[in-house]
Amino acid sequence: QSVLTQPPSVSGTPGQKVTISCSGSSSNIERNPVNWYQQVPGTAPRLLINRHNPRPSGVPGRFSDSKSGTSASLAISGLQSEDEADYYCAVWDDSLSAPVFGGGTKLTVL
Amino acid sequence: QVQLQQSGPRLVKASQTLSLTCAISGDSVSSNFAAWNWIRQSPSRGLEWLGRTYYRSQWINDYAMSVKSRVIINPDTSKNQITLQVNSVTPEDTAVYYCTRGLGYGTFDIWAQGTMVTVSS
Repeated sequence: QSVLTQPPSVSGTPGQKVTISCSGSSSNIERNPVNWYQQVPGTAPRLLINRHNPRPSGVPGRFSDSKSGTSASLAISGLQSEDEADYYCAVWDDSLSAPVFGGGTKLTVL
Repeated sequence: QVQLQQSGPRLVKASQTLSLTCAISGDSVSSNFAAWNWIRQSPSRGLEWLGRTYYRSQWINDYAMSVKSRVIINPDTSKNQITLQVNSVTPEDTAVYYCTRGLGYGTFDIWAQGTMVTVSS
């Protein structure tokens, strides 16, 4: 069971906006910046959003994030078929002294 | 640009040692800004950080509590690479293993291609 909780799946139609949530605790999300990764099956995860460079080269402006208390969210606007992938949140946990990941959310573009 | 290239056996027998190498190009294993991590992924455990090595005036290694007694990560400055050893493996160690560059706070900006390692019983 993952330290961070994500919904197993979300879906949307092209052009829609979808949001993926990530729920944690006071020892991780509340205290530290949250990172988001995109993984197309069969490939390595790709960094989408982080504190060092909020949107790495090649990541569209349609991806944005937010955080409130012990929860964070990734929003994808103007959904495109190429956005179909698995999405993971990750954050440093002060109690574990280690980075922790969410269980992942599978995004389906209908 | 920074690239990571993994190598190592894809099949390991239970109770033996899993060994992987990650060659770094475009950056230095002795970088004062990055850490070099191993992360694995399996259907049962998801993405799991195993540990890291980094240089800040001296070499520092950190490991996940769940694997601390069995995992060793070493830098090799002569070859600009890092290595992973997982001792006494069981089928539960079957996973895709990734070498990554870390910038701190769960930020992993460069990933190698991954190695699917199967532990046979």
